[in-house]
Amino acid sequence: GAGVSQTPSNKVTEKGKYVELRCDPISGHTALYWYRQSLGQGPEFLIYFQGTGAADDSGLPNDRFFAVRPEGSVSTLKIQRTERGDSAVYLCASSFPGTGELFFGEGSRLTVL
Amino acid sequence: RKEVEQDPGPFNVPEGATVAFNCTYSNSASQSFFWYRQDCRKEPKLLMSVYSSGNEDGRFTAQLNRASQYISLLIRDSKLSDSATYLCVVSRNTGGFKTIFGAGTRLFVKA
Repeated sequence: GAGVSQTPSNKVTEKGKYVELRCDPISGHTALYWYRQSLGQGPEFLIYFQGTGAADDSGLPNDRFFAVRPEGSVSTLKIQRTERGDSAVYLCASSFPGTGELFFGEGSRLTVL
Repeated sequence: RKEVEQDPGPFNVPEGATVAFNCTYSNSASQSFFWYRQDCRKEPKLLMSVYSSGNEDGRFTAQLNRASQYISLLIRDSKLSDSATYLCVVSRNTGGFKTIFGAGTRLFVKA
């Protein structure tokens, strides 16, 4: 389809493991965002890319979290040494810069046991 | 203090009621303002942008007061299908457009 695609849709892992979450944005959208959403909360900003570079990564909670977008399209969110508190839905969104409308994927639900 | 604050609700209203949601933001550098809607276990979707002059889209009216750093959303003649979480969103330029979401206000419209 033409929307934002996120994989995997569900990921169950054990505490201490490494996880990668992938986002394929809408073609032509140069802006890409990662958010984290816990039950009953709004999406929490993690990082924003404009093209290949991270324009703002101030929302990444600690150095276990890292995101890349090497070719300015697909992005990968990487979480090292996962902790139970990392369990959440990780949402990716893309947009044309400055338009304000973010188009979200369906999210990747991460469960850390 | 969170950058975007909303009344969490929930708001329980009968069909046909008028309901108003409020939102405040703390960063005066915020430039763009929006309301998003999120259905249960779904992704957020843009409901409407918010302008200083106020704007209306059918039964929905949004207002922005920059001096008070306050945003509102009014829903008239509520429908069952309006039941959802409404997210207040602000955006500002930090080298890109950093877009921050409030925690959301949950609305239940009952027959």
